[in-house]
Amino acid sequence: IVMTQTPLSLSVTPGQPASFSCKSSQSLLHSDGKTYLYWYLQKPGQSPQLLIYEVSSRFSGVPDRFSGSGSGTDFTLKISRVEAEDVGVYYCMQGIHLPLTFGGGTKVEIK
Amino acid sequence: EVQLLESGGGLVQPGGSLRLSCAASGFTFSNYAMSWVRQAPGKGLEWVSGISGSGGSTYYADSVRGRFTISRDNFKNTLYLQMESLRAEDTAAYYCAKAIIAVGGPKYFQHWGQGTLVTVSS
Repeated sequence: IVMTQTPLSLSVTPGQPASFSCKSSQSLLHSDGKTYLYWYLQKPGQSPQLLIYEVSSRFSGVPDRFSGSGSGTDFTLKISRVEAEDVGVYYCMQGIHLPLTFGGGTKVEIK
Repeated sequence: EVQLLESGGGLVQPGGSLRLSCAASGFTFSNYAMSWVRQAPGKGLEWVSGISGSGGSTYYADSVRGRFTISRDNFKNTLYLQMESLRAEDTAAYYCAKAIIAVGGPKYFQHWGQGTLVTVSS
């Protein structure tokens, strides 16, 4: 499954919202009714961290300014008010079929 | 607190071998699948391999199948990746990850280690 993310990069003013897209080449809707799409953030110099699982559920400790939405093959991650600590590369990943595959990432910078 | 500490990376010549280790703590190791994910310098993330909690099931990306072997020691709470016939394109930071790999269900990574760098070069 090919995962495609847009845009490649985004420059955001602190306090402003940000939104980026992820599209999969196949539906990520499983026969159990759940959709296996995940979002990770890799901050500069760090390992990735899980933000969102199954499209819209925030992982433990993730601030509520992060929200995920979408269905089937089209997904969106939104940050309601960007903070300086949100800089890094955001990756989406499909978790329905092996091999697990990631999008190319969206790099977020602060203006 | 979940902690994953990788080790074993380094410089190796093409065709050589290397074994990576990942020491886990802060959770019941045998209850969770584990995985290796790599990231070439300046590039994105690539899933490499996964293993079930018992070690009875293993999974590989096509790019490493037949060259890499994943294993685990649930008594030592340690994950391994034996890498053979290494190529320049295997150069990357290798992360171990605490994973969910459910047959017929979700597959994803909950926690990641800090990574160990493998460089394949003559």
